[in-house]
Amino acid sequence: AQKITQTQPGMFVQEKEAVTLDCTYDTSDPSYGLFWYKQPSSGEMIFLIYQGSYDQQNATEGRYSLNFQKARKSANLVISASQLGDSAMYFCAMRELISSGSARQLTFGSGTQLTVLP
Amino acid sequence: ETGVTQSPTHLIKTRGQQVTLRCSSQSGHNTVSWYQQALGQGPQFIFQYYREEENGRGNFPPRFSGLQFPNYSSELNVNALELDDSALYLCASSGSGRPLNYGYTFGSGTRLTVV
Repeated sequence: AQKITQTQPGMFVQEKEAVTLDCTYDTSDPSYGLFWYKQPSSGEMIFLIYQGSYDQQNATEGRYSLNFQKARKSANLVISASQLGDSAMYFCAMRELISSGSARQLTFGSGTQLTVLP
Repeated sequence: ETGVTQSPTHLIKTRGQQVTLRCSSQSGHNTVSWYQQALGQGPQFIFQYYREEENGRGNFPPRFSGLQFPNYSSELNVNALELDDSALYLCASSGSGRPLNYGYTFGSGTRLTVV
């Protein structure tokens, strides 16, 4: 069974500084994908970044980068130059690349509430 | 392209009642999944529909059921509501041909309160 652990219930960062949100995972499947989502108070899950288990390089999307350490089973999200609009709940999630015909559900962590201070 | 829309946005029901939540998937998407997100927790997978058939289910009792229609829209039905069913219910759609790294497109959810 797959599991995602986010150990930081809340984080604070000063505007324009960088912040790292931690995520560790557990799976027995050699093929999987790791995702980070942002959830503002409106409730919608906004896709931020993706890392495949076989990707050789860490994923980057604008101000978001994923620090992927496969041996340690960690996939930390780094947000550079934080903005006030980054204040939200952040979720790490995983999807195992199981055989076709089976549900490709996402397994989520418990989330980290990020607050950006002016 | 239109996103995922869910209705209603908020709902209050009494314990023991039944509820139906609706989801219109993003254009071109043929797979719909439903998630339950209790307050302060991450979403939990309820079930997934692909081409009108359920093809996966999480650890939820049978009183949670669903449908997917030919236009790929979907319903989540919950019978005999319990207080613990109070949560944000998220619908997510994806297309079979969509690159894996796009994951799912989520709606804004329906916030259900059971009193």
